[in-house]
Amino acid sequence: RKEVEQDPGPFNVPEGATVAFNCTYSNSASQSFFWYRQDCRKEPKLLMSVYSSGNEDGRFTAQLNRASQYISLLIRDSKLSDSATYLCAGGGYNKLIFGAGTRLAVHP
Amino acid sequence: SQTIHQWPATLVQPVGSPLSLECTVEGTSNPNLYWYRQAAGRGLQLLFYSVGIGQISSEVPQNLSASRPQDRQFILSSKKLLLSDSGFYLCAGIGAVYGYTFGSGTRLTVV
Repeated sequence: RKEVEQDPGPFNVPEGATVAFNCTYSNSASQSFFWYRQDCRKEPKLLMSVYSSGNEDGRFTAQLNRASQYISLLIRDSKLSDSATYLCAGGGYNKLIFGAGTRLAVHP
Repeated sequence: SQTIHQWPATLVQPVGSPLSLECTVEGTSNPNLYWYRQAAGRGLQLLFYSVGIGQISSEVPQNLSASRPQDRQFILSSKKLLLSDSGFYLCAGIGAVYGYTFGSGTRLTVV
């Protein structure tokens, strides 16, 4: 079993839609969790950290469920510019393990 | 703020040739540094990480090696490249607590 797993998608949604991604992790000792955005042929960029109490940044909300060992990302009011691959990551202080990413395509 | 520099951006190398990719860091001292590889259409695979000068942890046995000769320098090397070494190589810095910052990556094609 992979340490961090994501549905690869693609998720094809119209502009304005709400879309949610989930990511599961197998290492219960993992302490830190993040969502990254990666555009085609570019490096991943940190989107947001994920906390048990939830973390909201504008249209984006991230949540951690330690009991079920998954993290989620909710995108409200999708924009064309949200089209990208979203990577979840989890780990300890010294290293992060990344999921393979979920592709999102937002269409007009 | 921290900046990760990587070069070159693109590299085409023949099978059996050596490789040296360099990563340097600005804006922080004593950073944890990481090398990841992303194969086409795949996720990020952690190759090596370093918590300080001369300290290298290898995550996956393979045809590559890493070195940390200076605090802000991290080098990925190979003596003889294989076709399977093709991929997008990314250097990252800072610890997991604060999330990683990535360099812009090197796209390596072994032919």
